[in-house]
Amino acid sequence: DGGITQSPKYLFRKEGQNVTLSCEQNLNHDAMYWYRQDPGQGLRLIYYSQIVNDFQKGDIAEGYSVSREKKESFPLTVTSAQKNPTAFYLCASNIAGTPSGAQYFGPGTRLTVL
Amino acid sequence: RKEVEQDPGPFNVPEGATVAFNCTYSNSASQSFFWYRQDCRKEPKLLMSVYSSGNEDGRFTAQLNRASQYISLLIRDSKLSDSATYLCVVYSSNTGKLIFGQGTTLQVKP
Repeated sequence: DGGITQSPKYLFRKEGQNVTLSCEQNLNHDAMYWYRQDPGQGLRLIYYSQIVNDFQKGDIAEGYSVSREKKESFPLTVTSAQKNPTAFYLCASNIAGTPSGAQYFGPGTRLTVL
Repeated sequence: RKEVEQDPGPFNVPEGATVAFNCTYSNSASQSFFWYRQDCRKEPKLLMSVYSSGNEDGRFTAQLNRASQYISLLIRDSKLSDSATYLCVVYSSNTGKLIFGQGTTLQVKP
């Protein structure tokens, strides 16, 4: 089955620690995205990548970092510099350059800072 | 002003009712529009794209009004399983990004 997987589903972190969230897709999509969702708010774009070895900051990139070494994988690191990291993190993908823009999401990772 | 605005609800309706949601967007250069459905604590899933001429998918009808910059979603004969949050999503070529509304919550009661 083609799809997007994210792991772990739940993640707990102590203040001051960096954590890395995994996102893998086997849809052969070029573009991948990371969003953050807070209660009662819309999704906000953190980082995105249209092609391997290239990525761009989204609207709320501060305190986050990404890499795109393989087409299938787009891990997100939440660093200790992120002041309010507790949120629901969603990874998405689509075929780059599609004007329609419709994206497909993984099941998400819930990060809680203790 | 938010780029995409939705009434958060909740909309509480009985089974079999018809319910409509509106969404307004601020960027007149927006070119693609979608409705996504998000169940509680789950990821958003594409429900339908919204075309200029309006489009229908079973009990769901989407409309676009470019002049007034809003899109709508109509659900006929509501089912219990329609209970979810419906996200209005807009793509603008000048930003190259999807902008998500905060969602409208629908609760269908027996």
